[in-house]
Amino acid sequence: NAGVTQTPKFQVLKTGQSMTLQCAQDMNHEYMSWYRQDPGMGLRLIHYSVGAGITDQGEVPNGYNVSRSTTEDFPLRLLSAAPSQTSVYFCASKLGEYTEAFFGQGTRLTVV
Amino acid sequence: AQSVAQPEDQVNVAEGNPLTVKCTYSVSGNPYLFWYVQYPNRGLQFLLKYITGDNLVKGSYGFEAEFNKSQTSFHLKKPSALVSDSALYFCAVRDLNTGFQKLVFGTGTRLLVSP
Repeated sequence: NAGVTQTPKFQVLKTGQSMTLQCAQDMNHEYMSWYRQDPGMGLRLIHYSVGAGITDQGEVPNGYNVSRSTTEDFPLRLLSAAPSQTSVYFCASKLGEYTEAFFGQGTRLTVV
Repeated sequence: AQSVAQPEDQVNVAEGNPLTVKCTYSVSGNPYLFWYVQYPNRGLQFLLKYITGDNLVKGSYGFEAEFNKSQTSFHLKKPSALVSDSALYFCAVRDLNTGFQKLVFGTGTRLLVSP
């Protein structure tokens, strides 16, 4: 049972480049989300999904897009990378409203 | 808005001693509280949660947390610390104001257990 799998683990981008962070879970969870972790700020929600075909914005959505075509996958797209998007990104999934979230191992992104 | 505060950036404790990592919360309505641990270069791992019921919640790896409604606190505790407990600990509360009921995280407390 792999849980939540994120790829890549590390990435360096130049300003203006685009890329997609991949997230897949094999637990048949309906709820999936993307957080970014910055020093001294905890984790902040970027986008989330409550099921296939349903996505919504979190508290820091600007510069990111998401889609949810299947239950398993929830990719995060950076449209035009900026140095302010240098961060560690975590994907998480959970079974339902009252359950705990399971996190992937993270993607460390550096934008130069 | 729901929020949690972790007043200590770092907690130092000697191996074998009891440890406490503090968390206070601010919510409207009933709080749903969580503790997560993050080891270096790893994702967050769930430790325990309080939804309702007993104020003392037991979790993974010998950790427990005490919910105190009058003090709006949810401190993480362990009777005897291990060097391997050294990690970053996050307290979180569920935000009931969003349909997703996102987790609102504290800024984290680094626990350092010395041999």
